This record gives sequence, C-alpha cells and structure tokens, in this order.
Amino acid sequence: EAGVAQSPRYKIIEKRQSVAFWCNPISGHATLYWYQQILGQGPKLLIQFQNNGVVDDSQLPKDRFSAERLKGVDSTLKIQPAKLEDSAVYLCASSPLRAGSYNEQFFGPGTRLTVL
Amino acid sequence: AQKITQTQPGMFVQEKEAVTLDCTYDTSDPSYGLFWYKQPSSGEMIFLIYQGSYDQQNATEGRYSLNFQKARKSANLVISASQLGDSAMYFCAMSPFQGAQKLVFGQGTRLTINP
Repeated sequence: EAGVAQSPRYKIIEKRQSVAFWCNPISGHATLYWYQQILGQGPKLLIQFQNNGVVDDSQLPKDRFSAERLKGVDSTLKIQPAKLEDSAVYLCASSPLRAGSYNEQFFGPGTRLTVL
Repeated sequence: AQKITQTQPGMFVQEKEAVTLDCTYDTSDPSYGLFWYKQPSSGEMIFLIYQGSYDQQNATEGRYSLNFQKARKSANLVISASQLGDSAMYFCAMSPFQGAQKLVFGQGTRLTINP
C-alpha cells in the first residue's frame, strides 16, 4: 500500500513570494491533515479536512495561508505572501474514518520550506 | 484545550539500556488517546504506540511500552534494550476520542544512543 505522498520535498523562496505544496493521501482515507513543524518544536495542526469539507482550520493564518481538497482526494496548501517565520516543515497526514474508534494518522515525508 | 508537556529536551543512553521518556498531559475531554511518534533525522513521523484513556492495561508494542498513569496525567514511553537506530526525536501527542481527532504534540525529546 502506497504511503502519503508530498511534493516538493524542499523549497527555498524569498519573503513575499508565493508557494504551494501538494499532498496525496493514502487511498480511501477520508481525513487529511496539514501540520506545520517549526525547527525545534512539535507539529502544529493548520487544517483538517474530512472528505472535501473543512473540519478545523482554527490555527490557519487565513490572511496568507489557504488550502483546498478538491474531490476529497489530494490537497494543496498555499502561502501568499510568505514571511520569514513561515520557514518550517509542512507535514501532510491522512487517516481512515471509522466510527467509534481512534483513526491512526499516517504521515508523509514533509516539505521543508526555507524563506529568505 | 489540550496540552502536552515533555520536560526532557535531550537524553543520552548507553546501547542496550532501557530508557524512559517523560510525558504529562492536560485535557478536559472525557475520553482521549495518547500517542508516541519517532522522528529520525530524515524527517518522517513514525507511529510507535497508542493508549486509549479507558484502556485498563498499559499498551505494549515490541520493545516499546507506555506507562500510563491516568490520575497523574502521565504517559511515559519506555524503550527496552535500546539500539543505535533508536536515536531520534520522540514526540508525545494526544487527541480527543470523539469529534475531530487532531493531534496535539509536545515539544519533543531528542534521544541519543551511545555505543
């Protein structure tokens, strides 16, 4: 079974530029998550989708970050314009949706963003 | 709101020794799950072990066990017979059992296994 795919793996941009990240979850997983991991910290949830609807985006800086999950499969996360403090690893995760039990999250390899 | 605290920024252990990584948590959710993830230098998050808040027995997965003390709100990870490949960052995390099952992570502990 293929894992969670992310691209690109690395991206270097200058501040005020735009950038987009792509994630393809494990086939059949209804829930998709984007986490931001700043160096030296644990991951922080940015946005959670269930199928193609947003479940939680309370920590997404909506003035510059946007995300979509068309057709309930793959997803893109965009930053426009980027700031220096956006330098981080962006992790995508997916999980199945089974009622009445915990649904394990499977993580992709991440995209390391450096903003200069 | 949920909070995870990992008070050990770094741990150094001799190969083949057992090691305990500390984790305390705070939540108002009546049911929740506790997790440990390993993050090697390559960056991927590897799931290690899960404990449900209503599970009567402590979880075990091979060399990993979770020492769950609900009254003390602690969920320590125990690695027995450590190996050089165990060197990595380790994150404790929690999630409510109901509703949106998002993970809240701690700051992590960097574990170094010395030969």
